[in-house]
Amino acid sequence: SQKIEQNSEALNIQEGKTATLTCNYTNYSPAYLQWYRQDPGRGPVFLLLIRENEKEKRKERLKVTFDTTLKQSLFHITASQPADSATYLCALVRISGYALNFGKGTSLLVTP
Amino acid sequence: GAGVSQTPSNKVTEKGKYVELRCDPISGHTALYWYRQSLGQGPEFLIYFQGTGAADDSGLPNDRFFAVRPEGSVSTLKIQRTERGDSAVYLCASSPSGTANEQFFGPGTRLTVL
Repeated sequence: SQKIEQNSEALNIQEGKTATLTCNYTNYSPAYLQWYRQDPGRGPVFLLLIRENEKEKRKERLKVTFDTTLKQSLFHITASQPADSATYLCALVRISGYALNFGKGTSLLVTP
Repeated sequence: GAGVSQTPSNKVTEKGKYVELRCDPISGHTALYWYRQSLGQGPEFLIYFQGTGAADDSGLPNDRFFAVRPEGSVSTLKIQRTERGDSAVYLCASSPSGTANEQFFGPGTRLTVL
């Protein structure tokens, strides 16, 4: 069956360090992958999209890599800030090509 | 406010009752999605609309769940004979079209079935 796995344990890092979150998937051939941020009591907010033929994408302090051989995406936040504390969700496009299949998310806590 | 809105924000009902959850997508977005999120889980796909038609309803868990989008904008998710297991946050999202676009999510409706 198709699975999307993200770090199950919360990630605690110190302000200024780089946070690295992992998304692994099995039994998928996604055309693209998206990362979302979700704060408590709110809906997910889109951060980045990376396609299967792209190795890396950057946006300000964010960087995403996509390795279709390893079936893995890494999400990096450089120079992390307490305001980056949230749950980060990895999502792959479903077979239908439209709706998203989400992982459980990884909780990130950045402490001053 | 040009974002996706959902009403009500909270809904408490009793087992066996009927509920309707409403979603107002961003104006002009033709694609609309419903997801369900349980505590500690990621959103789970329920149904996708392209315009007025349900293009993919494979995520609806059973025939107690039904959704409509009669005029291609507002959508209503309907749940009959609610069960305690239906308790979750129901999220609506929209996007300009049904391609590899980012999805814009609403704040969700928290449904509690007692």
